[in-house]
Amino acid sequence: GENVEQHPSTLSVQEGDSAVIKCTYSDSASNYFPWYKQELGKRPQLIIDIRSNVGEKKDQRIAVTLNKTAKHFSLHITETQPEDSAVYFCAAKENYGQNFVFGPGTRLSVLP
Amino acid sequence: DAGITQSPRYKITETGRQVTLMCHQTWSHSYMFWYRQDLGHGLRLIYYSAAADITDKGEVSDGYVVSRSKTENFPLTLESATRSQTSVYFCASSESPGQGLTFGSGTRLTVV
Repeated sequence: GENVEQHPSTLSVQEGDSAVIKCTYSDSASNYFPWYKQELGKRPQLIIDIRSNVGEKKDQRIAVTLNKTAKHFSLHITETQPEDSAVYFCAAKENYGQNFVFGPGTRLSVLP
Repeated sequence: DAGITQSPRYKITETGRQVTLMCHQTWSHSYMFWYRQDLGHGLRLIYYSAAADITDKGEVSDGYVVSRSKTENFPLTLESATRSQTSVYFCASSESPGQGLTFGSGTRLTVV
């Protein structure tokens, strides 16, 4: 089955700097890659996603890139703000079935 | 996101007891999921359902039972609770296979 790795596990950046979180997946048949943000004590919320037929997608300060050949995808946050502090999860959806396999998460801290 | 609700928010139960966690969504989404979240493991799929009366096991289904007699409800039952089932449980739904998940607010279950 699918396996998703995520790095780094923790990340601290200064406010205004950029943050990059990287994920790798094992199943080349996976075709959908969402990213979730989870604030302390809250539910995970979808912030951006990308499909296997697209290489990059951007939404304001957030962008996601996908390299199908290398089987990795990354989340880029520019001009970070304190409210970006949270745990971020990447996920990969298997082509067959409905299983979203999640990475273990990255705790991002944006320091003022 | 009031469209998907979980109850109870917190539950303490004793080892060996049966406990049911409730999940209700108002969007008529076909797909519903149960995940558990444990530190260091991210989110792991317990069960999912593609439609009423159609369910399938996920990665960590042992000790759990689900049912889906109505599209809007997807209860999760722990047949005989064990301490290893202490976790935060999230229900989620999606409209179609290729879309991201919308999560409920979670149930924190403690088995003593």
